[in-house]
Amino acid sequence: GAVVSQHPSWVICKSGTSVKIECRSLDFQATTMFWYRQFPKQSLMLMATSNEGSKATYEQGVEKDKFLINHASLTLSTLTVTSAHPEDSSFYICSASGSLSLGGTDTQYFGPGTRLTVL
Amino acid sequence: QQQVKQSPQSLIVQKGGISIINCAYENTAFDYFPWYQQFPGKGPALLIAIRPDVSEKKEGRFTISFNKSAKQFSLHIMDSQPGDSATYFCAGSKETSGSRLTFGEGTQLTVNP
Repeated sequence: GAVVSQHPSWVICKSGTSVKIECRSLDFQATTMFWYRQFPKQSLMLMATSNEGSKATYEQGVEKDKFLINHASLTLSTLTVTSAHPEDSSFYICSASGSLSLGGTDTQYFGPGTRLTVL
Repeated sequence: QQQVKQSPQSLIVQKGGISIINCAYENTAFDYFPWYQQFPGKGPALLIAIRPDVSEKKEGRFTISFNKSAKQFSLHIMDSQPGDSATYFCAGSKETSGSRLTFGEGTQLTVNP
């Protein structure tokens, strides 16, 4: 149990276009989902936290108008990178936390990540 | 006060040896300490976790030792195998934060055959 998927696994886009990344909890209901960004050989940087049906909470320094997060259901959250530029190229990873039966709301299960390359 | 400091940055161990990674935290409100394993190009996978009411937790070859008074915890990998070669992240969180994790900087472990 506790499987989180992401789609796509990698994407290449032109500068100025928008890219949507999906994050799904496959076998549990995720009360909270998180979006991270990771640069090579670095730790995970939390971008935002989202709860189903409410607006995402963004970390300081993360542009909410550039990184649109939607958490429409207990199993799906999306991250849209709007007007992407080369500096947005990175590895984007989502995670989800769920019910007590999965170790409590503390436990985060991560997706496999999405490699975004903006040309 | 939210930092989690992890060491060493990189670690090379021979097959069969013990790998030890250390973390220190500052926020005394943290009540959940997971370790994640990440392979290149993949998302982190939960390896083992501990809460501060116990001093040690063992799952197979992986053991967490926790020292609440020193605000330190460590991951021990016994009988290290080449397949354990990965990046390991420690983290801390407090229940009231909505499980927001504060990660350490990561340790790149290489286990030589």
